[in-house]
Amino acid sequence: SSELTQDPAVSVALGQTVRITCQGDSLRSYYASWYQQKPGQAPILVIYGKNNRPSGIPDRFSGSSSGNTASLTITGAQAEDEADYYCNSRDSSGNHLEFGGGTKLTVL
Amino acid sequence: QVTLKESGPVLVKPTETLTLTCTVSGFSLSNARMGVSWIRQPPGKALEWLAHIFWNDEKSYSTSLKSRLTISKDTSKSQVVLTMTNMDPVDTATYYCARIASRFIAGRQAYYFDYWGQGTLVTVSS
Repeated sequence: SSELTQDPAVSVALGQTVRITCQGDSLRSYYASWYQQKPGQAPILVIYGKNNRPSGIPDRFSGSSSGNTASLTITGAQAEDEADYYCNSRDSSGNHLEFGGGTKLTVL
Repeated sequence: QVTLKESGPVLVKPTETLTLTCTVSGFSLSNARMGVSWIRQPPGKALEWLAHIFWNDEKSYSTSLKSRLTISKDTSKSQVVLTMTNMDPVDTATYYCARIASRFIAGRQAYYFDYWGQGTLVTVSS
């Protein structure tokens, strides 16, 4: 099982703010990266590093980290943000990478 | 324009060896602080990191699958190959390759998959 823990499901009302979290001891030493995956599609990178967004990712997506928890925040969630979200980081040994179990985001 | 494309069999039999190839373009496999990872996703389940290989030939494997995996690269062909031995029906999944970048940001290491292939569904069945 993964050493990165995510809530299986989160919901948010359209236009509201939602935080998706990822917990793991390795996050005290390594940044998490975050991926959005819609049904039938490959994942895309939405946040990496301290709070870096790749080109083309809306600025309503932001990242933060405190202690052993990394967070992905969507400020003003849109219908198109409904997707599965995965965090990734090094594991506690520092030798391997791993994904969290994923969070299914529903926009109501 | 960075692209990655997976290729390989769509159907393998139990106990067979799976060989997948990731052909990249738009960057070189010798670019510093970059590499290629293999990631898989069983139907309806979460992503699972399998292995990566970096520009300097540094390799790492999933602890649970290490005995079955081998990753290699051919820089001249812009290809990364993953082999997985002793395939089982539980290995049925979409297999992705992705470019991995490594950077130090504000004193901490960051690893991220910035480009992904479209994925290839591999079914293990007799």
